[in-house]
Amino acid sequence: NAGVTQTPKFRVLKTGQSMTLLCAQDMNHEYMYWYRQDPGMGLRLIHYSVGEGTTAKGEVPDGYNVSRLKKQNFLLGLESAAPSQTSVYFCASQLAGETYEQYFGPGTRLTVT
Amino acid sequence: RKEVEQDPGPFNVPEGATVAFNCTYSNSASQSFFWYRQDCRKEPKLLMSVYSSGNEDGRFTAQLNRASQYISLLIRDSKLSDSATYLCVVHAGNNRKLIWGLGTSLAVNP
Repeated sequence: NAGVTQTPKFRVLKTGQSMTLLCAQDMNHEYMYWYRQDPGMGLRLIHYSVGEGTTAKGEVPDGYNVSRLKKQNFLLGLESAAPSQTSVYFCASQLAGETYEQYFGPGTRLTVT
Repeated sequence: RKEVEQDPGPFNVPEGATVAFNCTYSNSASQSFFWYRQDCRKEPKLLMSVYSSGNEDGRFTAQLNRASQYISLLIRDSKLSDSATYLCVVHAGNNRKLIWGLGTSLAVNP
């Protein structure tokens, strides 16, 4: 099993450009999350999904959109990138139920110039 | 007050030392607690869950003190490979969201 994978691993965007980050998991997990991690800020939740076709806002959703058309995939979109979105983005998945263990992908390092 | 607070460190210890980290949380309704480990430029990985009765996994011991609202992680016989950032994580309420501390940095020196 590959676990949680993310593409791309690195990306440089110019201000105003758009892009989509892809997260895929092969563990049949119901829940999926997108976080960003910045120095001194810790992990902050952007959006999450508790099942195929459903999404919800997290702590810092502005400037991002998400879609969960298939259970195994969770896409994070930046419609018009800003320098403030320079960050490391992590995707995570979690089994439904009373366990809260989250499994993370390797991250995407995004720089917006 | 932050929901989850940790001493950022860094903690610099020699190999073989015992080191302990504490983490405090503000929501008394918190139900589940975890320690994650994050290596430099890598993703977080679950180290251990923290149970009310305390739990041990090899050289690692986690404790929960609900009255004082803190959890602790004790590492015995530190190895060079223990060098990492240790993240305290708390789940509270009926949602699926975890609250993450900023992490405590540990450097184990030869």
